[in-house]
Amino acid sequence: SYVLTQPPSVSVASGETATIACGGDNIGNQNVHWYRQRPGQAPVLVIYDDSKRPSGIPERLSGSNSGNTAALSIRSVEAGDEADYFCQVWDSGFDHGWVFGGGTKLTV
Amino acid sequence: QVQLRQSGPGLVRPSQTLSLTCDISGDSVSTNSASWNWIRQSPSRGFEWLGRTFYRSKWFQDYAVSVKSRITMSPDTSKNQVSLHLKNVTPEDTAVYWCARDRAVAGIDFWGQGTVVTVSS
Repeated sequence: SYVLTQPPSVSVASGETATIACGGDNIGNQNVHWYRQRPGQAPVLVIYDDSKRPSGIPERLSGSNSGNTAALSIRSVEAGDEADYFCQVWDSGFDHGWVFGGGTKLTV
Repeated sequence: QVQLRQSGPGLVRPSQTLSLTCDISGDSVSTNSASWNWIRQSPSRGFEWLGRTFYRSKWFQDYAVSVKSRITMSPDTSKNQVSLHLKNVTPEDTAVYWCARDRAVAGIDFWGQGTVVTVSS
């Protein structure tokens, strides 16, 4: 089955830019989605189709995807951005279905 | 605004069947532009997709290989809901279970509130 690899944690100071990577075999050929999850809450879609923002998500969040790495960037990080972030793709192979990365804890 | 409201027991005995329901408001379970998923999350296994049901001129169910022999998902158009039945559970099935709507390349845009399910005697 398809595997997505994320760093367990990323730490940045308030006001800096945080970048969270998501590695996968030829992930650049996939549509990548990103979710933010705060403790005890449901995930929230923050980036879809590599780089699109849903309504209500600030422009400080952006996404990119090329080669074997997709990335979520958060500019001017605030305390409220502290959460777990997950990348996701649809695996259309034999063991098909939604596949998630292991998640990255962003600490501000 | 789409809302997904989950219901079902939080404790299931080993070898029994786990049953959850997801009530949909703000959209139709029969829409041909979305799929209705069940996903679970645990500290040891992370997110695990279990399956989906969707309508494209007829109903389809699509299950993860890992649970295919034990799972059934059923749409109920009269109640606008989807249900999950996972039989013969073990402690490994202990997790938070999520109902979720996806629109293919647009990702999963709505999630239920989550149900903590513990499998224990």
